[in-house]
Amino acid sequence: NAGVTQTPKFRVLKTGQSMTLLCAQDMNHEYMYWYRQDPGMGLRLIHYSVGEGTTAKGEVPDGYNVSRLKKQNFLLGLESAAPSQTSVYFCASNPARDRGGYNSPLHFGNGTRLTVT
Amino acid sequence: GEDVEQSLFLSVREGDSSVINCTYTDSSSTYLYWYKQEPGAGLQLLTYIFSNMDMKQDQRLTVLLNKKDKHLSLRIADTQTGDSAIYFCAEATLFSGGYNKLIFGAGTRLAVHP
Repeated sequence: NAGVTQTPKFRVLKTGQSMTLLCAQDMNHEYMYWYRQDPGMGLRLIHYSVGEGTTAKGEVPDGYNVSRLKKQNFLLGLESAAPSQTSVYFCASNPARDRGGYNSPLHFGNGTRLTVT
Repeated sequence: GEDVEQSLFLSVREGDSSVINCTYTDSSSTYLYWYKQEPGAGLQLLTYIFSNMDMKQDQRLTVLLNKKDKHLSLRIADTQTGDSAIYFCAEATLFSGGYNKLIFGAGTRLAVHP
């Protein structure tokens, strides 16, 4: 059971280039998330998805797009990379809420370290 | 607004207890979490506590919650070198819009020395 897998692990981009980060989970989780981690700032939510075919904006969505065409995959795209997007990106997932309205803890991937020069 | 604060560094001697503290602002929090991040890895869930509990113990880990002061702590007994990592406190606010709105602190770097 691989859990949450992110590819690639590392990437260096030049300003203006585009790329897609892939997140795959094999736990049949409904919800998936993309976070970025910057020094001294904790994790900030970029976009999230509550099911196949649905996405929504988080706290810092500008400059990113996402897609959830299959339940197990959540893609994060950068159309025109900027140095401000240099960060470590984490994908996470969890099951849908239970009948009491409570969510299970998030399961995280190992991250993608992106540098934009 | 919602905010979670932690001290950035903690240094302890191997074998001693470590106490990592966290304060949060949202009184509607449902769950409070502690995650551990080792170098080059993702966040690993250590433990969590529901907001109507005061304490939770799990082997070497003890979580204390003071709802009145909105203060959460993680105590690691008999700290080992393998406990060296960054520890993140996070609060989950009331379920909204179908997702787990987690607010993370900036993380506390725990260094364990001989």
